[in-house]
Amino acid sequence: KNEVEQSPQNLTAQEGEFITINCSYSVGISALHWLQQHPGGGIVSLFMLSSGKKKHGRLIATINIQEKHSSLHITASHPRDSAVYICAVREVAGSARQLTFGSGTQLTVLP
Amino acid sequence: NAGVTQTPKFQVLKTGQSMTLQCAQDMNHEYMSWYRQDPGMGLRLIHYSVGAGITDQGEVPNGYNVSRSTTEDFPLRLLSAAPSQTSVYFCASSYSFSTGVNYGYTFGSGTRLTVV
Repeated sequence: KNEVEQSPQNLTAQEGEFITINCSYSVGISALHWLQQHPGGGIVSLFMLSSGKKKHGRLIATINIQEKHSSLHITASHPRDSAVYICAVREVAGSARQLTFGSGTQLTVLP
Repeated sequence: NAGVTQTPKFQVLKTGQSMTLQCAQDMNHEYMSWYRQDPGMGLRLIHYSVGAGITDQGEVPNGYNVSRSTTEDFPLRLLSAAPSQTSVYFCASSYSFSTGVNYGYTFGSGTRLTVV
């Protein structure tokens, strides 16, 4: 079973700061997802990665398959970025090919 | 609006009661799944379905039943509610799961369930 670890668990930043959230996993994967859970509870899929790097506006996600590690970066952070960010991986092997989730990183951006 | 619709948003049950959480998607997604989210535990898979008529157990299936009679609907049934089932429940769907093509997941807005 894949173990997915995120760090840090909690992160407080000032508006405008550059944010990095890390995700490590233990076995090979076919895809890694970054999700954002809003304070109201809704979950949005931000990125799905299998290699390299993706960028959507101020959000950047990278993955290093060899090191089994991914990072989510937020540039010029804003209070509306405050949310829980969740990393999830889909394993290569196994008939279920389900997602395994990290426990999330609570980000608070102060004005 | 296309997406995943979950109902109800909030529910309080007494121990032993049964209920069904509804999940519907209008994106013709093959794959649907139910998760529960508990503090410090992350999301855990309860049951999933890779198409109409096909369901399977996830990580924490005990106390829950599912069925998938249509592509659109994937209800989750609590047979006899217990306080340990107090949680937030999310339904999610994804397209072309069976072909192995990687698509993103669309999540419902969640159901907050309290069992007293």
